[in-house]
Amino acid sequence: SAVISQKPSRDICQRGTSLTIQCQVDSQVTMMFWYRQQPGQSLTLIATANQGSEATYESGFVIDKFPISRPNLTFSTLTVSNMSPEDSSIYLCSVAGQGFSYEQYFGPGTRLTVT
Amino acid sequence: AQTVTQSQPEMSVQEAETVTLSCTYDTSESDYYLFWYKQPPSRQMILVIRQEAYKQQNATENRFSVNFQKAAKSFSLKISDSQLGDAAMYFCAYRPETSGSRLTFGEGTQLTVNP
Repeated sequence: SAVISQKPSRDICQRGTSLTIQCQVDSQVTMMFWYRQQPGQSLTLIATANQGSEATYESGFVIDKFPISRPNLTFSTLTVSNMSPEDSSIYLCSVAGQGFSYEQYFGPGTRLTVT
Repeated sequence: AQTVTQSQPEMSVQEAETVTLSCTYDTSESDYYLFWYKQPPSRQMILVIRQEAYKQQNATENRFSVNFQKAAKSFSLKISDSQLGDAAMYFCAYRPETSGSRLTFGEGTQLTVNP
């Protein structure tokens, strides 16, 4: 498995501002993903963070709203831009590949509240 | 598109008893993987058990086992000797062999363990 950390663990932000969430893994991984979990709901994939190239976004998510960086094989950031109360969610980073076969592991999540 | 359905939003079990959580999925793929994840109130997603579709033998991890019925596209989780620490939201997830590790999650089942 992998040890994954996320910063911050939680934040309360004002509408119209932006927040950058960091994801750090203790080993090199092939794939990194960002998920959103709205209150009381399941997980929805936002995008796949590709090392050295633009992220691949799922339907309904756009780069201007959720810019993602992945400068190397152990680190990624997700920015939630121009936030509104509807962005209040848990944001989770996950990793796959590079030695853990087909399994996918998750970070502890970032709980975001937008007021 | 693949879909995953968990028809039981909530389940409860007495401590030390056995409970089964249901999951069905829809796919046209022949090779894929199935997972059960546990999410306690801490919100950390924990991988409980995994099953490769090409394996006929049901996966087992200590008190957790699955009943994988490929023809019926059913993947249920059995928890034996339930413990208070098993109380959590449980998500069933599907990943096709060729997708690049993208997971599709069910809606989740909230499990309560009564002392």
